[in-house]
Amino acid sequence: NAGVTQTPKFRILKIGQSMTLQCTQDMNHNYMYWYRQDPGMGLKLIYYSVGAGITDKGEVPNGYNVSRSTTEDFPLRLELAAPSQTSVYFCASSQEQGALGTGELFFGEGSRLTVL
Amino acid sequence: AQSVTQLDSQVPVFEEAPVELRCNYSSSVSVYLFWYVQYPNQGLQLLLKYLSGSTLVKGINGFEAEFNKSQTSFHLRKPSVHISDTAEYFCAVRSRGAQKLVFGQGTRLTINP
Repeated sequence: NAGVTQTPKFRILKIGQSMTLQCTQDMNHNYMYWYRQDPGMGLKLIYYSVGAGITDKGEVPNGYNVSRSTTEDFPLRLELAAPSQTSVYFCASSQEQGALGTGELFFGEGSRLTVL
Repeated sequence: AQSVTQLDSQVPVFEEAPVELRCNYSSSVSVYLFWYVQYPNQGLQLLLKYLSGSTLVKGINGFEAEFNKSQTSFHLRKPSVHISDTAEYFCAVRSRGAQKLVFGQGTRLTINP
């Protein structure tokens, strides 16, 4: 059981380049999330999705885009990379149950991105 | 709005000593509370959670946490730590009815032999 899989694990970009971080989950979870983790700052939510075709902004969405065409996949796109986007990115998923959902998240192993 | 504050950014302890990692939250409604652990170069994994009922919850690897509603706290404890407990620990809160978890800044636990 793979859980949440992220690719690539490491990437170096030049300023202005674009790239897509891939995320796929095999648990049939409805909810998926993208977080970024910066030292001493905890995790900040970038975007999330409550199901295929539905996405919404989190705390720090600027400079990013997402799509959710299937239940399994939730790619994160950086259109014009900037040094401020140097971070570790985590994808996560959860199986919500409406108001009774507990919010337990299952995380991928992360993608470390450096923008120079 | 909900928020979480982890009161210590780093906690060094000696092996086999007890440890407490502190977490305070704010929310205007009832909450679910979580502790996640992140081992070096890995993603986060759930350590324990409080949903309702008993205020003392037990998790994996001998950790436990106590929900204190009057003090809006959810401190994590372990009576005797091991070198393998070296990791970063995150407290998180989700208000009932909200769709998102809010994470604290993290506490780095370092175990010295």
